[in-house]
Amino acid sequence: TQLLEQSPQFLSIQEGENLTVYCNSSSVFSSLQWYRQEPGEGPVLLVTVVTGGEVKKLKRLTFQFGDARKDSSLHITAAQPGDTGLYLCAGLQGAQKLVFGQGTRLTINP
Amino acid sequence: NAGVTQTPKFRVLKTGQSMTLLCAQDMNHEYMYWYRQDPGMGLRLIHYSVGEGTTAKGEVPDGYNVSRLKKQNFLLGLESAAPSQTSVYFCASNLQVRGQPQHFGDGTRLSIL
Repeated sequence: TQLLEQSPQFLSIQEGENLTVYCNSSSVFSSLQWYRQEPGEGPVLLVTVVTGGEVKKLKRLTFQFGDARKDSSLHITAAQPGDTGLYLCAGLQGAQKLVFGQGTRLTINP
Repeated sequence: NAGVTQTPKFRVLKTGQSMTLLCAQDMNHEYMYWYRQDPGMGLRLIHYSVGEGTTAKGEVPDGYNVSRLKKQNFLLGLESAAPSQTSVYFCASNLQVRGQPQHFGDGTRLSIL
């Protein structure tokens, strides 16, 4: 069973559209990280959210941590082809162990 | 900066063969991890290490062994490879500070025939 459920698993939209990716769990995490992965490379950290209800913005990307620290969302405004990639959420268990979601494969069509 | 380097990048094995994957990091990180990535499964933790000479099991440790003889290196071994171990393997490292981001290598694509 997957501790962190990401949805959707696949998303293909046109350039300029908005989108939201969800990361849900029944478990509470002390923090949650979002990574982006390009083909042939390892994941790279985008952001860490720590406090329940926290919102962080990274240019056109907005990340939110749920009030109960069980879920998170990633919203992209005016998506661009350069946003194409695999987006992974990961919850922190204990001091250092991360539990990853299945990932959302995002394709932005020109 | 090299960061986290994994060797080899690709390998094809026959069932029953053994091999070792090497991970090297030059960031003086205390913690190191081995993951496998399969379609639709995200990354799953195989083994991890919190320091030189120490290792611990992760979520999917069966069929794998690890060693951390030097702080900068973390080795993942397959003693008798099975087709179910066909996957992309990622090594990661981070500092001994709670919640620090993990830095990943570019992966080793392993096929077991």
